[in-house]
Amino acid sequence: GQQVMQIPQYQHVQEGEDFTTYCNSSTTLSNIQWYKQRPGGHPVFLIQLVKSGEVKKQKRLTFQFGEAKKNSSLHITATQTTDVGTYFCAGSTGGGNKLTFGTGTQLKVEL
Amino acid sequence: DTGVSQNPRHKITKRGQNVTFRCDPISEHNRLYWYRQTLGQGPEFLTYFQNEAQLEKSRLLSDRFSAERPKGSFSTLEIQRTEQGDSAMYLCASSFPFGTSGMADTQYFGPGTRLTVL
Repeated sequence: GQQVMQIPQYQHVQEGEDFTTYCNSSTTLSNIQWYKQRPGGHPVFLIQLVKSGEVKKQKRLTFQFGEAKKNSSLHITATQTTDVGTYFCAGSTGGGNKLTFGTGTQLKVEL
Repeated sequence: DTGVSQNPRHKITKRGQNVTFRCDPISEHNRLYWYRQTLGQGPEFLTYFQNEAQLEKSRLLSDRFSAERPKGSFSTLEIQRTEQGDSAMYLCASSFPFGTSGMADTQYFGPGTRLTVL
């Protein structure tokens, strides 16, 4: 079945440092979504990418969808303590709505 | 502004007991999803409804699990004869059809029901 892996599993950074998480799918995706889950919270939608090579920005967050639509990345510039949480990518195939979530990257930001 | 709600928020049960969880989606959303999340893992898809029709069910889902959405509004997830391996957070999400080709719906998650099987 479809598998979605993320690296790294954990990342500790000092506030102000940059952070990147990488997402790789075993199959070609129709689209990819990114979610953030705060400690003790539930996943919250961040963004969706659909087109091959697409890049989208949200303030300090930059999202990219690979040319082959099998990988994606999330880059945070100048992390803040409010960025703490686990970031999940989630992909779907065949135009459906069933999401396969990645393994997640847990981000900790230290002052 | 009412989001997705789930009840109960926590459930502790003994092995072998049956449990039922309820999810109330955002009112105008006709699609509803159930996921299971264990510590340190991403949510794992269980099943999906459009209105009252159950359109997809994970092959990993044991026949001890059943979900319903009788009137296309709230949904229930029942686990029969619970096992310790069923301990997890059960998340519900809802969505409204995006309507754009190639795009999946944005799913809005509820707070989850944490199940502990002793």
